[in-house]
Amino acid sequence: EVQLLESGGGLVQPGGSLRLSCTVSEFTISNYAMSWVRQAPGKGLEWVSIISGSGGTAYYADSVKGRFTISRDNSKNTLWLQMNSLRAEDTAIYYCAKTVMVRGLITYYFDYWGQGTLVTVSS
Amino acid sequence: EIVLTQSPGTLSLSPGERATLSCRASQSVGSNYLAWYQQKPGQAPRLLIYDASSRATGIPDRFSGSGSGTDFSLTISRLQPEDFAVYYCQQYGTSSTFGGGTKVEIK
Repeated sequence: EVQLLESGGGLVQPGGSLRLSCTVSEFTISNYAMSWVRQAPGKGLEWVSIISGSGGTAYYADSVKGRFTISRDNSKNTLWLQMNSLRAEDTAIYYCAKTVMVRGLITYYFDYWGQGTLVTVSS
Repeated sequence: EIVLTQSPGTLSLSPGERATLSCRASQSVGSNYLAWYQQKPGQAPRLLIYDASSRATGIPDRFSGSGSGTDFSLTISRLQPEDFAVYYCQQYGTSSTFGGGTKVEIK
């Protein structure tokens, strides 16, 4: 059974940094694009970032561009999200998701999700 | 950016009843690239439908998706107790955006 396990969330002050990890089992991530999707408390879903299977290409939502960096190590079946200059509005549960590319990294949906890790940005 | 509007916000139904959820796009969704997800409290979203009408692996056939262009719907033919949850649509024809969700609650 495909499993994705996020970790690294917690409480951080505004302006601080946090690095999230997503460890995958039962499939080889090098064959797939991977994404981060977040959900603010009591709110809907928001796509954050996507990275190609090789790690050579990544895209970001405008709301996090320049502050967040997605990366991966296929040898470790692990995905990361480095979050800098955090703001209160970044408070959310962050999910990693196995991504099905329909037309490259432009169009995609998410077929497996982790359970998420909570990031709280507050002083 | 394509904006997705889901209606109703909340649907109150009894087990065994039919549920019809709507997802309307602000402009046409290319190639009918629309997905539906189910999310239960404290859980991650689960993919139900992709490409507007294709069921994901392991999804019961009481779930069906339909529609094209700007109007899409998810139908649950006979609600089971485990189907009470929040449902989100996502378009991936132009970038990716999600709708605000429809909560299906027990009446």
